[in-house]
Amino acid sequence: AQSVTQLDSQVPVFEEAPVELRCNYSSSVSVYLFWYVQYPNQGLQLLLKYLSGSTLVKGINGFEAEFNKSQTSFHLRKPSVHISDTAEYFCAVGDQGGSEKLVFGKGTKLTVNP
Amino acid sequence: KAGVTQTPRYLIKTRGQQVTLSCSPISGHRSVSWYQQTPGQGLQFLFEYFSETQRNKGNFPGRFSGRQFSNSRSEMNVSTLELGDSALYLCASSTGLAGGPGGSDTQYFGPGTRLTVL
Repeated sequence: AQSVTQLDSQVPVFEEAPVELRCNYSSSVSVYLFWYVQYPNQGLQLLLKYLSGSTLVKGINGFEAEFNKSQTSFHLRKPSVHISDTAEYFCAVGDQGGSEKLVFGKGTKLTVNP
Repeated sequence: KAGVTQTPRYLIKTRGQQVTLSCSPISGHRSVSWYQQTPGQGLQFLFEYFSETQRNKGNFPGRFSGRQFSNSRSEMNVSTLELGDSALYLCASSTGLAGGPGGSDTQYFGPGTRLTVL
């Protein structure tokens, strides 16, 4: 069974600083990986996804992630954050059990301070 | 294109009652998945429907059920509500046609239904 571990439950940073949100996955097969963002009182919005090909994936709002198969990681990065990036971020893996089920990590709460 | 809509947005029920939540997917999407989100357990998969058939089911008791209609709209029902069922219930839609083993299609999430059980 696939699983996802987000190593930090909370990450506080100052505005314009770089940030990295860490995600490790466990899977015995090739994986599909996703990062979603959830703003307060809203649903989830896709930031980016890795299906195959280039290991560096660029997403919306200046975010990018790097797939590292040897370290089973898919860390999310942004070189300079804004106050508006304050939200909860979820890493997920596609289940590959014949449906569109996603297995999510517990989430990382990113707080950007002025 | 309109996004995923969920109704109602908020619900307050008492223990023992039952509840039905509704989800309208993006036009043309045939897959609808449901997730329960709680502070303690995070996001947990409930079930997925594709073309009116349940394609996958999470590890929830039989009190949780769902269905999908021919227009792809979906409902989920929770019977005999317990305090622990208080959660944000999220619906997600996708084309469901990504092919292969599944799990690669982009899911588009609705805003959720906040259920409070007293």
